[in-house]
Amino acid sequence: AQSVTQLGSHVSVSEGALVLLRCNYSSSVPPYLFWYVQYPNQGLQLLLKYTTGATLVKGINGFEAEFKKSETSFHLTKPSAHMSDAAEYFCAVVSGGYQKVTFGTGTKLQVIP
Amino acid sequence: KAGVTQTPRYLIKTRGQQVTLSCSPISGHRSVSWYQQTPGQGLQFLFEYFSETQRNKGNFPGRFSGRQFSNSRSEMNVSTLELGDSALYLCASSSAIGLADLTDTQYFGPGTRLTVL
Repeated sequence: AQSVTQLGSHVSVSEGALVLLRCNYSSSVPPYLFWYVQYPNQGLQLLLKYTTGATLVKGINGFEAEFKKSETSFHLTKPSAHMSDAAEYFCAVVSGGYQKVTFGTGTKLQVIP
Repeated sequence: KAGVTQTPRYLIKTRGQQVTLSCSPISGHRSVSWYQQTPGQGLQFLFEYFSETQRNKGNFPGRFSGRQFSNSRSEMNVSTLELGDSALYLCASSSAIGLADLTDTQYFGPGTRLTVL
């Protein structure tokens, strides 16, 4: 079984401040982890993914995430928030089986000017 | 390459009716997955098709069904619509072939927003 928990359904940061979106997962086998972003009235866009190898993963738009097995976490960070980062972010896990992805409930990021 | 396209983008139906949604994957992608997104339940996996075969299915009632054509285009059908079926239905395609390709990125379409009155 696999599951994903995203802490905080809404996060507000000031423009230029650090963005930290939290994701913890549960998986009985080594997981593959993803972060997606969804802008209003659009589908999901992949930000980054962890499969194997380096635990610090860099993605698009300056985002990065670190896989910490001991903490079962995959938190998403960005050093400096931009207004265009305002969107909803989803953490997802795939483990075992076919392309069956379990998504977290999402975190809406608000960037305050 | 053109992205994943979904038609229609918006749909309004009444309870008891049925609806068919269409998804055209990225050229060359043979795997197509469907998801339901609602404010209360978030993103939930409906099913995945590969080469016209349903490979995986989520926990949805039999009113939800799908199919995939030889050109990889996919349709999903919901019969006897209920108010709770109002949602954004997202389609995603990937180049994944088998179990070893779990990491292949899924590319999402813009979704079809279904409203059931």
